[in-house]
Amino acid sequence: GQQLNQSPQSMFIQEGEDVSMNCTSSSIFNTWLWYKQDPGEGPVLLIALYKAGELTSNGRLTAQFGITRKDSFLNISASIPSDVGIYFCAGHLNHGNNNDMRFGAGTRLTVKP
Amino acid sequence: GAVVSQHPSRVICKSGTSVKIECRSLDFQATTMFWYRQFPKQSLMLMATSNEGSKATYEQGVEKDKFLINHASLTLSTLTVTSAHPEDSSFYICSAWRGGQVWPGELFFGEGSRLTVL
Repeated sequence: GQQLNQSPQSMFIQEGEDVSMNCTSSSIFNTWLWYKQDPGEGPVLLIALYKAGELTSNGRLTAQFGITRKDSFLNISASIPSDVGIYFCAGHLNHGNNNDMRFGAGTRLTVKP
Repeated sequence: GAVVSQHPSRVICKSGTSVKIECRSLDFQATTMFWYRQFPKQSLMLMATSNEGSKATYEQGVEKDKFLINHASLTLSTLTVTSAHPEDSSFYICSAWRGGQVWPGELFFGEGSRLTVL
């Protein structure tokens, strides 16, 4: 299926630094979701965004739903070693009884202590 | 958050056998469930969308006769890998959509099932 354009693919940062990643699409979505996946486990929902322009925080995480409904970003402030993992964006579009979900390729985050 | 459980978490089988993976939404009803395949260090690849009571919709390139999906109830979907071969070895993940009247809904993932075909 069609993937969202997620960047960067990987990041190597020092503990304490801020992180920013984003996703773009040629199609609009009703919902943007951000997930984190640890090795060998399923993705865990971090933040869900439901309205264009919405800015939502969850602890050190902040995410925004782009005003055009075609993009979203995720920021992590003051990174810590346990932030290591793969972060995925996902766009959801509900049309009728169908749920259409698309995923970004992921951003692999490495945090050096 | 909502809980989606997958079983088994790991399975090893011989080539030519069939393997069934279950995906359950434990505390909500999911009219739609999704099945993904994930290769090492890669993103989730959507295999099919499963709506309760109807046939699954498969993504292009996914063999429906190879990967049988059944969504017989609002809390259970199954993926059966038929006549498995070593190239079917992968990490399979399901997700379930929790809709709602107030919120558009959220998607929750199972823990994943690692299939190894010998």
